[in-house]
Parts: sequence; C-alpha cells; structure tokens
Amino acid sequence: GIQVEQSPPDLILQEGANSTLRCNFSDSVNNLQWFHQNPWGQLINLFYIPSGTKQNGRLSATTVATERYSLLYISSSQTTDSGVYFCAVGVRVSGGGADGLTFGKGTHLIIQP
Amino acid sequence: AAGVIQSPRHLIKEKRETATLKCYPIPRHDTVYWYQQGPGQDPQFLISFYEKMQSDKGSIPDRFSAQQFSDYHSELNMSSLELGDSALYFCASSSTVKAFFGQGTRLTVV
Repeated sequence: GIQVEQSPPDLILQEGANSTLRCNFSDSVNNLQWFHQNPWGQLINLFYIPSGTKQNGRLSATTVATERYSLLYISSSQTTDSGVYFCAVGVRVSGGGADGLTFGKGTHLIIQP
Repeated sequence: AAGVIQSPRHLIKEKRETATLKCYPIPRHDTVYWYQQGPGQDPQFLISFYEKMQSDKGSIPDRFSAQQFSDYHSELNMSSLELGDSALYFCASSSTVKAFFGQGTRLTVV
C-alpha cells in the first residue's frame, strides 16, 4: 500500500514562531488532507489539498503532486496550535465517494508560552 | 453547523463481550468511514460506505462488521472483544471527499 512519511516527528516551539511540516507519499494520489488532533483527541480537518496552495488564516498548505510531497505552514504559533498534525492520502473513486485515507505517523507539535 | 455524532462517547467492555458503536453522519453526506486509533498511533482505516453500500475495506478484523442503514446512520459491531481492541474509534463522513470526523468513541476492554 501507499506509504506516508511525515517530518519532523516532534517539534517544540515558542509562541509566535513559524513552522513547516512535511509529508512525503510513495505513490500518486488525488486525495490529500491535513488534520489537527488536539489534546482532547478531536480530529479537525484543516485542508483538502491534492495539489496547489491554500490558505486559511495563519495556516497554509502546498502540495506538489508530481514530486509527491505536501507542506503545512503554521505562522505566528499559538499555544492552541499544540497537538498532532496528520497528513492523510487516498484515492477518489470515479462515480462518487472516496477510498479510506492512509495516515502518516504525524508531527507532534508543542507550542510553549 | 451539524457535525458527525458518535455514541457512546465512552464504553467499557470485558474480554469476549460484544460492542456496538453508532455514527450519525452530517446530513446529506453520502460517504461514511470508520477508523481505529490505538494509543499513540495514527488512525487506521477500517471500512467505508458510499450511499449505503460498502465501498472500501481496510484492516478490519473478521470479528468486526459494519453496516449503513436507510437513514444513513452507521453501526460498527465488534464481537469477541480482545484487550488489543482498546482504542479510539472514529466515524467520519464526506460529501465531496473532504472528511469530517466525529469526536470518537473510546473503547476500553478489560
């Protein structure tokens, strides 16, 4: 099956710092999503970004599908950004629906005040 | 806005017992997914349904089964529970691929 590698595995930053999280995947995909799992376990969908660049407030993401990687940028970090960031990939099925996502191991981010 | 609703939020079962987890997807979403997340692990895909038909299957044990009903809610049935089944079970739904996750059911097998 498809392999998803995320780096770095752990990251500790001071409030206000910027960070870049990377996701490499082993095969062509047409479904890539970034999630944030907060300390209470809730999984929040940040982006659906199979290619191109998107921005949402302090977060932005870029996927270069031809080179099989995606980047998540977090600017001006806040303590509430702490948690685990997962990259997940899959395949959209023609005719509707989508196959299940394969998740990376995640980047554990700690933002210190 | 309505989110994915899962019940129960917490469940404690003994080994060899049976458990049923329920999921109510976001209205008008046509796809439901089930994931299992062990402690310190990434979520693992179990099974999905598109318009009430099973559409994809992942690493779901034979002891587990799932179905989606006419009202689009879904249930994950787990039998002969083992200690290793202790995990957070997520349901997610989507209408256009982007998946929205419920808050999960934390299952503890003792």
